[in-house]
Amino acid sequence: AQSVTQLGSHVSVSEGALVLLRCNYSSSVPPYLFWYVQYPNQGLQLLLKYTTGATLVKGINGFEAEFKKSETSFHLTKPSAHMSDAAEYFCAVSEGSNFGSGTRLSIRP
Amino acid sequence: EAGVAQSPRYKIIEKRQSVAFWCNPISGHATLYWYQQILGQGPKLLIQFQNNGVVDDSQLPKDRFSAERLKGVDSTLKIQPAKLEDSAVYLCASSPGEPSSYEQYFGPGTRLTVT
Repeated sequence: AQSVTQLGSHVSVSEGALVLLRCNYSSSVPPYLFWYVQYPNQGLQLLLKYTTGATLVKGINGFEAEFKKSETSFHLTKPSAHMSDAAEYFCAVSEGSNFGSGTRLSIRP
Repeated sequence: EAGVAQSPRYKIIEKRQSVAFWCNPISGHATLYWYQQILGQGPKLLIQFQNNGVVDDSQLPKDRFSAERLKGVDSTLKIQPAKLEDSAVYLCASSPGEPSSYEQYFGPGTRLTVT
């Protein structure tokens, strides 16, 4: 069975700083991987996804993630944080629609 | 394009009562999902429909939860009787097809409080 683990339930960065949210997956077959964002009192919205092909995936709002098979990782990054990025972020793997436990991103002024 | 609609948005019930949630997916989306999201946790898949057939209900507590998707469009999720631990947000999502490479589109959720 496929699963994901998100390291760090809460990450706080300064506005303009690099954002790095970590996700590791477990899978015996090539996975399809997703990052979703959830703003307060809203449903989840897709940021980006990896299926096949290019391992560096670009998403909305300046986010990107790199699929690294050797490290079984799919970390989410953004070069410069903005106040509007404050939200909960979830990594997910396709099989069984398994979601990680989430990382709450806070942005300091 | 209209998004995934859910109702009600909020519901408060007492334990042992019953409750039902409704979901209308994006038009043309064959796959529909129900998730339970407990505060501070990620969504947990309860049931997945492909058209009006069940693909995965392995994590659905079948002694108290039931779901149906009549005519392969709208879906309802029912809890009877409710327990305190059922307090959560219930999310509905849909996707265009069965292949797992498709992303899911989520509704705003129904926040259930069981007292």
